[in-house]
Amino acid sequence: GIQVEQSPPDLILQEGANSTLRCNFSDSVNNLQWFHQNPWGQLINLFYIPSGTKQNGRLSATTVATERYSLLYISSSQTTDSGVYFCAVLSGAGSYQLTFGKGTKLSVIP
Amino acid sequence: DTEVTQTPKHLVMGMTNKKSLKCEQHMGHRAMYWYKQKAKKPPELMFVYSYEKLSINESVPSRFSPECPNSSLLNLHLHALQPEDSALYLCASSQTKSGGRNEQFFGPGTRLTVL
Repeated sequence: GIQVEQSPPDLILQEGANSTLRCNFSDSVNNLQWFHQNPWGQLINLFYIPSGTKQNGRLSATTVATERYSLLYISSSQTTDSGVYFCAVLSGAGSYQLTFGKGTKLSVIP
Repeated sequence: DTEVTQTPKHLVMGMTNKKSLKCEQHMGHRAMYWYKQKAKKPPELMFVYSYEKLSINESVPSRFSPECPNSSLLNLHLHALQPEDSALYLCASSQTKSGGRNEQFFGPGTRLTVL
């Protein structure tokens, strides 16, 4: 099956700093989603981005499908950005199962 | 605000108890999912319902029994669980099971502790 690798596994930022999270995948994908899991466990949809670039406020994402990677940019980080960021993909015709990376744990300190 | 709701938020049960987790989605989606997430791990798929029929069962033990009463409701019945079943149980929904824009939306989860 498809492999999804996220880096870095852990990241500590000072409030106001910028960061880039990376997701590499081993095969072509039909769907790629970025999630933020907050400390209470809620998985929040950030982006549905199988290709191209999207922006939503301080967050933006880029997926380069031909090179099999996606990047999540967080600018001017805030303490509420803390949590785990997951990349998840669907691969293959008729696919239904999201394959998750192991996540990047982000801690934003004041 | 999430459009997938789950109850209860927390549940503590003994190994001989029977309990149920409930999930409701308000987006008109036709596919619904149960995931299990252990601490410091990504979610793992348990079941997929498509058009109210069980489509996928990822080799889950029979002590977990899913039920889909209608297109917007999904239950997970629990019986004779083991302490290792303690986890966060997440419900998700998408427009369809596969094909098209299969973006999945998750509920807030039920944190289950089995004593």
